[in-house]
Amino acid sequence: EIVLTQSPGTLSLPPGERATLSCRASHSFTSTYFAWYQQRPGQAPRLLIYGASSRATGIPDRFSGSGSGTDFTLTISRLEPEDSAVYFCQQYSSSPYTFGQGTKLEIK
Amino acid sequence: EVQLVESGGGLVQPGGSLRLSCAASGFTFNNYAMAWVRQAPGKGLEWVSSISGGVASTYNADSVKGRFTISRDSPKNTLSLQMNSLRVEDTAIYYCAKVAATWAYYYMDVWGKGTAVTVSS
Repeated sequence: EIVLTQSPGTLSLPPGERATLSCRASHSFTSTYFAWYQQRPGQAPRLLIYGASSRATGIPDRFSGSGSGTDFTLTISRLEPEDSAVYFCQQYSSSPYTFGQGTKLEIK
Repeated sequence: EVQLVESGGGLVQPGGSLRLSCAASGFTFNNYAMAWVRQAPGKGLEWVSSISGGVASTYNADSVKGRFTISRDSPKNTLSLQMNSLRVEDTAIYYCAKVAATWAYYYMDVWGKGTAVTVSS
């Protein structure tokens, strides 16, 4: 099983700044099989990034993903209050699907 | 517009059963794999089960193997999760998700709002 570890656990930043969220995998895998999801309070998860760097439909270009092997990054530029959420990484390279434990992003 | 609407959640005693349903619309249901993902209160996301499009091969997490069964009714555009021998640790919000491919191991591009399952005596 591929274990994903996200850091930091919580990130607090003011509006307009840039956030950098990390996800490290216990085993290397092809970046094609990596995604990021956003979950706002009280809502279902929403796909942000797939294939490590491709934005999902309707996702603003403030969101960008990068990485390969075991280290992946989600960067959110020009932070807005609506970006307050928990962000999860996921690998779909091998069974079982696994998710990271999440990074909580607070905008204040 | 692609929509997924879950139903069937509720309160059940340990050892009991529950059947969740997910009504899908806005896409060709049989062409896509589907999945169930759960989230225990205050916790992260845990993949539960997946079913491929077409031939409907199924895959389950070890934590539910032998207890949960995923199935799909393509004419009715409905995904189901039969949950037996429920445990307290199965308490969670259960999300139905559309997989962005016919095969089961791919990213999930649309999620339902979820249905809450509570296992308690």
